[in-house]
Amino acid sequence: NAGVTQTPKFQVLKTGQSMTLQCAQDMNHEYMSWYRQDPGMGLRLIHYSVGAGITDQGEVPNGYNVSRSTTEDFPLRLLSAAPSQTSVYFCASSYLPGASSYNSPLHFGNGTRLTVT
Amino acid sequence: GESVGLHLPTLSVQEGDNSIINCAYSNSASDYFIWYKQESGKGPQFIIDIRSNMDKRQGQRVTVLLNKTVKHLSLQIAATQPGDSAVYFCAEIPPGYGNNRLAFGKGNQVVVIP
Repeated sequence: NAGVTQTPKFQVLKTGQSMTLQCAQDMNHEYMSWYRQDPGMGLRLIHYSVGAGITDQGEVPNGYNVSRSTTEDFPLRLLSAAPSQTSVYFCASSYLPGASSYNSPLHFGNGTRLTVT
Repeated sequence: GESVGLHLPTLSVQEGDNSIINCAYSNSASDYFIWYKQESGKGPQFIIDIRSNMDKRQGQRVTVLLNKTVKHLSLQIAATQPGDSAVYFCAEIPPGYGNNRLAFGKGNQVVVIP
């Protein structure tokens, strides 16, 4: 059970380049999400998904696209990278609340450190 | 919007002592609270959670206390070890919502002195 796996670990892009950050989980979690972490700003939600074929925007979605074609994978795309997107990106997953309506904790990957020059 | 904050930015603790990390939350309606630990270069790791119908919950060497009257959450770590050095985040979710409404605090650095 690998948990949440993110690739690559590090990436440097030039302004205007595109790339995809990969995220995969093997825990059969319905819920997956992407966060960015910046100094002094904490963790901010970019996009999330409650199941295959369903995605929605979080707090800071501009400049990012996502898709969820399978339960396991949730890639994050930067179509035209900007220096403001320099950050550490975390993918996280969890079960959805069950009949008890209680939330389950998020499981995080170890992050992708992105620098845009 | 509502925010989750921490009182102290850095806590230095002698190895073997107990640590207490505090968190003030502002949404009095929140009904689920979580503590995460983030070591350098890694993602946040779930430590312990507590629901609003409880005021105390214990795990292995950790205890979370919830005081709804003053909207205060604390994490106690017993017999602090060097491996406990990390940034600790508290987080909350309002009632009726899922992890898409999880609000994180900005973090509190704990440094364990050998």
